[in-house]
Amino acid sequence: SYELTQPPSVSVSPGQTARITCSGDALPKKYAYWYQQKSGQAPVLVIYEDNKRPSGIPERFSGSSSGTMATLTISGAQVEDEADYYCYSTSTDSSGNHRVFGGGTKLTVL
Amino acid sequence: EVQLVESGGGLVQPGGSLRLSCAASGFTFSSYAMSWVRQAPGKGLEWVSAISGGGGTTYYADSVKGRFTISRDNSKNTLYLQLNTLRAEDTAVYYCAKTLLDNSGYYFDYWGQGTLVTVSS
Repeated sequence: SYELTQPPSVSVSPGQTARITCSGDALPKKYAYWYQQKSGQAPVLVIYEDNKRPSGIPERFSGSSSGTMATLTISGAQVEDEADYYCYSTSTDSSGNHRVFGGGTKLTVL
Repeated sequence: EVQLVESGGGLVQPGGSLRLSCAASGFTFSSYAMSWVRQAPGKGLEWVSAISGGGGTTYYADSVKGRFTISRDNSKNTLYLQLNTLRAEDTAVYYCAKTLLDNSGYYFDYWGQGTLVTVSS
């Protein structure tokens, strides 16, 4: 099976830059995607194909990927950005295609 | 505006069955793959199953293969997930998600609000 590894938690003060990492062996060949999930709500796509931002997502959200690590950066984090963030990616091996989420990172902004 | 509304969740005994539905609107349903993703209480997201736009190709996570069946009715703009031989570990909120395909494979751009399935005696 394939795994994506995220830190369980990240904490920043309002206005600071938050960085959430996601590591996976297949990331050099596959895109990373990032989802934001606020308490009691459905996930929302905030970054796709490593670094693209869907319409309606604030510019303070950005993504990058290098080697086996993808990073979600929130520049000037705001209180309303407090949420769980999940990376997602795929991999292909002899047993087939795998569609995997990371374990999630709880972002605290206070 | 894309809208996805799940229904059909509830309490079911171990070994029982349930059928989930997802009513879609705001986009050309038959042109897009669709997926189910679940989230156990207090846990992370787990991809469960996907189906192509025409319904001819389906994919399953190993954890549900042989027990769950995904299907769609494009005339009704509705996605289904038949859950059989349910186990306690299938307890989760089940989300349907509009699914896009790029060079890496499937990903999910819009999600419904989810429907809770509880497997317990």
